[in-house]
Formats: sequence, structure tokens, C-alpha cells
Amino acid sequence: LAKTTQPISMDSYEGQEVNITCSHNNIATNDYITWYQQFPSQGPRFIIQGYKTKVTNEVASLFIPADRKSSTLSLPRVSLSDTAVYYCLLKAAGNKLTFGGGTRVLVKP
Amino acid sequence: DTAVSQTPKYLVTQMGNDKSIKCEQNLGHDTMYWYKQDSKKFLKIMFSYNNKELIINETVPNRFSPKSPDKAHLNLHINSLELGDSAVYFCASSQDSGATTEAFFGQGTRLTVV
Repeated sequence: LAKTTQPISMDSYEGQEVNITCSHNNIATNDYITWYQQFPSQGPRFIIQGYKTKVTNEVASLFIPADRKSSTLSLPRVSLSDTAVYYCLLKAAGNKLTFGGGTRVLVKP
Repeated sequence: DTAVSQTPKYLVTQMGNDKSIKCEQNLGHDTMYWYKQDSKKFLKIMFSYNNKELIINETVPNRFSPKSPDKAHLNLHINSLELGDSAVYFCASSQDSGATTEAFFGQGTRLTVV
């Protein structure tokens, strides 16, 4: 199964944009790039998913270059409540949802 | 309404005991999962059921036995609890196992074995 690599942690300040890059050099043709967010003492929550180019929703944007070997989750103007662990996953039909170590984002005042 | 609900939220028990964690989803989903999150915060899938049928069974000790009485419920029974079983257990559900299907997670059950 293709693996993902992302930074262990990132610090930011309120109002800044946070960009988390995930590497997936061995991504398969049928893999979708999926991001989940986990707040302390809660279960993970789906944020965004994409296959190629750019995807934007009310929470985040996801940038995927043409070769799909990496992706960047962008959180605009973060607040303290965005402090969480962000997981980058690859999901193909029929495959299980496999979580890596995630990136701990700490937003400071 | 809570989409995926687990009970209990906290469970403290002694080694050797048998305990169960219940999970219910009211989303009408066909697929349900159990995940274990250890002290290092790694989330690992344990089991997956689709329409009450077991489809994924990771390398989990046979002391762990999932039971799905119907597709809205997936309970986890653990026999002869060990200290290493202490973790947070998450139940999740999804419409199916498609690539673009979103998984919904419960709030977790923090199991502490003493």
C-alpha cells in the first residue's frame, strides 16, 4: 500500500495561513488524497479530498500537482480552535482507511 | 442527533476481566469499523464489517471479538483484558468502501486496564 509522509508538528499563530505538505511518491492511479482532522479527545473528522489539481471547501483547500506525488492542505486564517492533528491518507475503492502519524498543528495566540 | 455513538465513553477495569464496547450509527451506512488509538496516538484499524459481514480483520488477538447484530450496530467484546489493551477505541461508519466515501467516527471509548 502507498504510504504518506508528513511533518510531525507545526506551530502557527492566529490569523496565519497554515500549509501542510504530504508526500506520497508511490500513489496509485486509483488513490484519492484524503485529509482528516482530529481534535483532542475526539474521533477524526473528514476535511477534504481530491484527486488532482485544486479542491476548495468551506474549511480548507487542497493543492495537488500534476504528478500527484505530494499534496498540500491549506488552512486559511487559522484560529486557536484549529489546533488539532491533521492526517493525510490515500484511499482507493475497497481499501481500508489507513492513518499515519499525522501532523500536530498548534495555533498560538 | 449523534451520527456514530459509542458507550461507554470511559471504561476502567482490572486485568483478566471481560468487557464490551457498544457502537451504533444512525446514518444508514453499510460499513462499520473499529479502530484502536494507542498512547502514541497512532490510529490502527482492527475490524471492518459490511452489511453485518466481516471484511477486514487485522492482526488482532482473538480475545477481541466484534459482533454485528444488524448493520447499524457493531459491538466489540474483549476477553481476558491485558494492560496493553489500554487505549482509545473508535468506532466509525461509512456508506460503503468506495474511494470517495467519507468515514464518520464516534467520540471514542477510553479503556484503562489496571
